[in-house]
Amino acid sequence: NAGVTQTPKFRILKIGQSMTLQCTQDMNHNYMYWYRQDPGMGLKLIYYSVGAGITDKGEVPNGYNVSRSTTEDFPLRLELAAPSQTSVYFCASGSNRVWAEAFFGQGTRLTVV
Amino acid sequence: AQTVTQSQPEMSVQEAETVTLSCTYDTSESDYYLFWYKQPPSRQMILVIRQEAYKQQNATENRFSVNFQKAAKSFSLKISDSQLGDAAMYFCAYRSGAQGAQKLVFGQGTRLTINP
Repeated sequence: NAGVTQTPKFRILKIGQSMTLQCTQDMNHNYMYWYRQDPGMGLKLIYYSVGAGITDKGEVPNGYNVSRSTTEDFPLRLELAAPSQTSVYFCASGSNRVWAEAFFGQGTRLTVV
Repeated sequence: AQTVTQSQPEMSVQEAETVTLSCTYDTSESDYYLFWYKQPPSRQMILVIRQEAYKQQNATENRFSVNFQKAAKSFSLKISDSQLGDAAMYFCAYRSGAQGAQKLVFGQGTRLTINP
């Protein structure tokens, strides 16, 4: 079972560059989430989506954009990368059932230099 | 907006003893779920236990149990008979029950060390 797949696993960006973090899930989940986790810290919600075509901001959306054209895919776009965006990024998905657990990808370690 | 606070950045416990991790949350909603997730060094996120806001009975999963105090908005995790494999970051999380707005919000985490 693939579950939630994130690519790439590691990336180094130069200041001002842009990139897209890919996230795909094969569980037909309506809900998808993007988080960032700074070293030794908790997960901060960047954006989330309740279904194809619907996205909403989380706690720390500045500097990021998302789209949700299909149920399976939820890419995260970084425009004009800054050192403050150095972090580990996690994608997660969940069903409509509030009690259901969320499933996480393995994370993408991003360094901006 | 809903917030989750874990006031203990680090905790340590002797193997086989009991430890309690604290979590408080802020919400104006009546329908929600609370979760504890474990993150070992592999970075994988593992669900430990969950609690529905409407249930007064505290959830239990083997050595893991919660103390849910709805009025105080408190949701602590008790780990009994601690084992070396319990060493990890533990995150408290809140999920809104509102249809179409089921954000999943996490606390800052507590790093748990198990001393042999």
